[in-house]
Amino acid sequence: DVKVTQSSRYLVKRTGEKVFLECVQDMDHENMFWYRQDPGLGLRLIYFSYDVKMKEKGDIPEGYSVSREKKERFSLILESASTNQTSMYLCASSPPGTSGGEQYFGPGTRLTVT
Amino acid sequence: AQSVTQPDIHITVSEGASLELRCNYSYGATPYLFWYVQSPGQGLQLLLKYFSGDTLVQGIKGFEAEFKRSQSSFNLRKPSVHWSDAAEYFCAVGPNTGFQKLVFGTGTRLLVSP
Repeated sequence: DVKVTQSSRYLVKRTGEKVFLECVQDMDHENMFWYRQDPGLGLRLIYFSYDVKMKEKGDIPEGYSVSREKKERFSLILESASTNQTSMYLCASSPPGTSGGEQYFGPGTRLTVT
Repeated sequence: AQSVTQPDIHITVSEGASLELRCNYSYGATPYLFWYVQSPGQGLQLLLKYFSGDTLVQGIKGFEAEFKRSQSSFNLRKPSVHWSDAAEYFCAVGPNTGFQKLVFGTGTRLLVSP
């Protein structure tokens, strides 16, 4: 079974802190994604990566950056956390190209910024 | 622009009754279509997917969905709902060629009454 793990299930940070959310997948997938999930808004894509050291902006990249130094690991960085970044963050991975597009999700990190 | 509409924010169904969750999409070509389920506090799990061929697809946990091209719909159904089906359900679309970036609907929360 594909396994996508996220470093924390719950996280509380203060405004202005630098926050790292880590995601690791064990299926050798090329593609990895970061979403945020908010009530009534569904999942919105923040950033994605289709290869090591490659990254692309999603629909809502402002205030975020990412890092992918190894194939299995994709990190989301909040350079200076703000209260409007309080949300559930979901990481996902998928195999490459047209093999189906099915994404496998981690359990999520619920981040609260106070 | 690509979009997915799930018109029902909440649905309440009695245990043992049938279920239909609606999904309509706007896409330039025939897309790949997915239904995901999210149990409380969990990540998303794939229920089923449509790529091509038979327009009625079977998924896990007794769910099925029907692709209707003329209506741009991909509704999810289950003949008899169990209390454990209470969760949030997301419809998603993606391209049938190229990079698999998915667009998600805003979700439908299913409540199951005894």
